[in-house]
Formats: sequence, C-alpha cells, structure tokens
Amino acid sequence: GQNIDQPTEMTATEGAIVQINCTYQTSGFNGLFWYQQHAGEAPTFLSYNVLDGLEEKGRFSSFLSRSKGYSYLLLKELQMKDSASYLCAVLNNAGNMLTFGGGTRLMVKP
Amino acid sequence: NAGVTQTPKFQVLKTGQSMTLQCAQDMNHEYMSWYRQDPGMGLRLIHYSVGAGITDQGEVPNGYNVSRSTTEDFPLRLLSAAPSQTSVYFCASSYEGTQNEKLFFGSGTQLSVL
Repeated sequence: GQNIDQPTEMTATEGAIVQINCTYQTSGFNGLFWYQQHAGEAPTFLSYNVLDGLEEKGRFSSFLSRSKGYSYLLLKELQMKDSASYLCAVLNNAGNMLTFGGGTRLMVKP
Repeated sequence: NAGVTQTPKFQVLKTGQSMTLQCAQDMNHEYMSWYRQDPGMGLRLIHYSVGAGITDQGEVPNGYNVSRSTTEDFPLRLLSAAPSQTSVYFCASSYEGTQNEKLFFGSGTQLSVL
C-alpha cells in the first residue's frame, strides 16, 4: 500500500518563497506528481518527478529523493492566485494507480 | 476542446436510490478513472480502466460499479446510495496509463445522499 503525508495547512506572504513537503512510504514507486487545486475546482497538473533531483518550471520547482521517500514543491515569488491546495501523489509500480496525499492548503497573504 | 466532461455538476439522492455519474472525454485517452474527494482525505481512487472493455478496482470500490464499452465514456454507477457516499466525484483521464503522463480532470460532481 501507499502512505503519503503532507502538512494540512501553510500560510505565506505575497512575494515570498514557500516549500511544501511530502513524505511517502510505498510498496512500489514509479514517479511522484504534484497537482494544484483551487477551491471548488478540479486539480491541475504541476510537475512529475521519477528521478532524484530538482525539476524547475518557472516559479515552481519540485524535488525528489527516492532513498528518503521525500519530495517538496517550491513556490517562488508568491502571488495571491497561488492560494490553493497542493496535492502530492505517488504512482505505483504498474503505473496504473495514482495515490494522493491529503493535500496542503496554502494561504497567501498580502 | 471539451476535454473531460462530467454530468451532472450537482445531485441530491435519497438513501437507497440509484444513479449514474457520466464521464466522457474527447482526447482519445486510453486510461480513465474515478476518484472521490472528502475533506481531509484527499482524492481516493474508486475504479479505473486502461482501455475499452477493461476495468479494475481502486482503493475504495465498494458500492460502485463501472463499465467501459467505448474509449470515450466511463460511467460510474451507484446501485443503492448511502450517506457515506456523499462526496465530490472526479473523473480523470490520460493518454496511456498514468506513467509519465498527467491526468486531466473533469470539473467534478457534488453528490449529497440524504
């Protein structure tokens, strides 16, 4: 099975940097995804990591350490529109089931 | 481009009633799935399909049935609704399984069972 942990809530200031952590214990691993979900809307894809290291995409970066079962999502130059939930999800070995963590609700304040 | 279309957006049922949540995609995706989302519990996989004629159970399949007669459609059936099935339901698809490929989500169905 999969066990995925993320902080429930975080608060940060507009213009700042925030790091959202995700730890996982899984029986199999075939990659880790981050999704963004605004309140009342569907999740949308942010990033995918399957190898160790940092993937950078504009203001957002995602890091993975497979040996530590650890990932983080880094958001730079925070904007008010970044207020949303951020979902960490792990793909199983067969590549056919994605298991989500409970999500981290990020509030960006002026 | 329609993407993933879910209907209805809102539904209220009485305990014991049956209904079908519809999901259709126009991206020729092989992989389709249904999730439910409850406060504090994230998204949980109900059923998934890797292609027409093939379905499999996810994490929380009890009380739900699915079928995949065409590539485009993946309906979710509640045979006898229970209050525990009150949730937001999302349908999602990707081209060829989820490996390396992001899921595209529908806009969701908010279901209340009284």
